[in-house]
Amino acid sequence: DVKVTQSSRYLVKRTGEKVFLECVQDMDHENMFWYRQDPGLGLRLIYFSYDVKMKEKGDIPEGYSVSREKKERFSLILESASTNQTSMYLCASSFQGGRRSYEQYFGPGTRLTVT
Amino acid sequence: GENVEQHPSTLSVQEGDSAVIKCTYSDSASNYFPWYKQELGKRPQLIIDIRSNVGEKKDQRIAVTLNKTAKHFSLHITETQPEDSAVYFCAASKTGNQFYFGTGTSLTVIP
Repeated sequence: DVKVTQSSRYLVKRTGEKVFLECVQDMDHENMFWYRQDPGLGLRLIYFSYDVKMKEKGDIPEGYSVSREKKERFSLILESASTNQTSMYLCASSFQGGRRSYEQYFGPGTRLTVT
Repeated sequence: GENVEQHPSTLSVQEGDSAVIKCTYSDSASNYFPWYKQELGKRPQLIIDIRSNVGEKKDQRIAVTLNKTAKHFSLHITETQPEDSAVYFCAASKTGNQFYFGTGTSLTVIP
């Protein structure tokens, strides 16, 4: 059974703090993703990674950075948190495109509040 | 890049009726179209997907249809039940790696 876990379910941070969100998957997936979910806006891709130390910008990368030092672990970093980054953050993982399943498996999400 | 539009944003149906959710996409190179269901407080989960070499796919009470010429695809749920109440997201992808998601449809099935 695929398992994608995130370091926190709920997080409250102050404006200007540096925030780390961590995601771990146990399925040997090449791809890992960070999404932001806001009401009425759906799932918006922040960054994704298709291999260790590789990263690609998604649709809304501003104010975020990522790190992937190990295949199973993908971190999202908010360098200086702002109130407009209050949101639900979802991590996902998948095999790379090809003959295998394209299905993305999601983590439980981290609800981040920046005050 | 790809742009996926999803309608309606909210949908209420009586138990036992059918529900249809529609999505359009802009990039004709997109060839993979998944649908995800997210129950309240839970993570999104894949319920059905279709590739561009197929026009329709069915799995029990759910089906997806794809019209490549018009660049739209739809989710059909028949004989709806209260446990079908959730937010449904469509997505499009041309590589199987990066997905472009629609904005979601909140489906309520009224007992």
